[in-house]
Amino acid sequence: EPEVTQTPSHQVTQMGQEVILRCVPISNHLYFYWYRQILGQKVEFLVSFYNNEISEKSEIFDDQFSVERPDGSNFTLKIRSTKLEDSAMYFCASSGGQGRAKLFFGSGTQLSVL
Amino acid sequence: DAKTTQPNSMESNEEEPVHLPCNHSTISGTDYIHWYRQLPSQGPEYVIHGLTSNVNNRMASLAIAEDRKSSTLILHRATLRDAAVYYCILRDANRDDKIIFGKGTRLHILP
Repeated sequence: EPEVTQTPSHQVTQMGQEVILRCVPISNHLYFYWYRQILGQKVEFLVSFYNNEISEKSEIFDDQFSVERPDGSNFTLKIRSTKLEDSAMYFCASSGGQGRAKLFFGSGTQLSVL
Repeated sequence: DAKTTQPNSMESNEEEPVHLPCNHSTISGTDYIHWYRQLPSQGPEYVIHGLTSNVNNRMASLAIAEDRKSSTLILHRATLRDAAVYYCILRDANRDDKIIFGKGTRLHILP
């Protein structure tokens, strides 16, 4: 079965540094998502992306966050100036359609902000 | 997103069937019922979805009540690998909806 690939699997950074989390969605998918999961908590929606623009974002996705699909295959999440509370597992997902279409999730990037 | 209600946790013995319930009394006519699961240290994984009729796939079955206000995910023969958090989620058929995860049901499988 096709897979969503995320790199790196672990990222450690200092507070205030910029990080870029990378994802390669499934090739013919059109809808892309980022989620995060703080240890022991539920999976939280961050942002959805379609047709080269953000279609929806949550309150968590503030000005420190941005997403980009730079080359038609990668989908990136950038955190401009990381905070301690950004430490979490970040999941990328992609989907081929609306409503009934299933989301495929990557295995995540564990971000640790020190 | 319409709200779903699931038990916090359930237990089952290995090799026995498991019925995971979900209530969604405010479901709308265009909402699909999706189930995902999250195995330990992994990303969420699609299990099954349906609209009105019961559905079967290689992973599970989905039984949907006639009034669509509840559904049950059925694992026919649980294995230790099925220990996970199971999420019941409603998704509008006509919208590019993000999926919103609740707390789900943590399923423990006893050997």
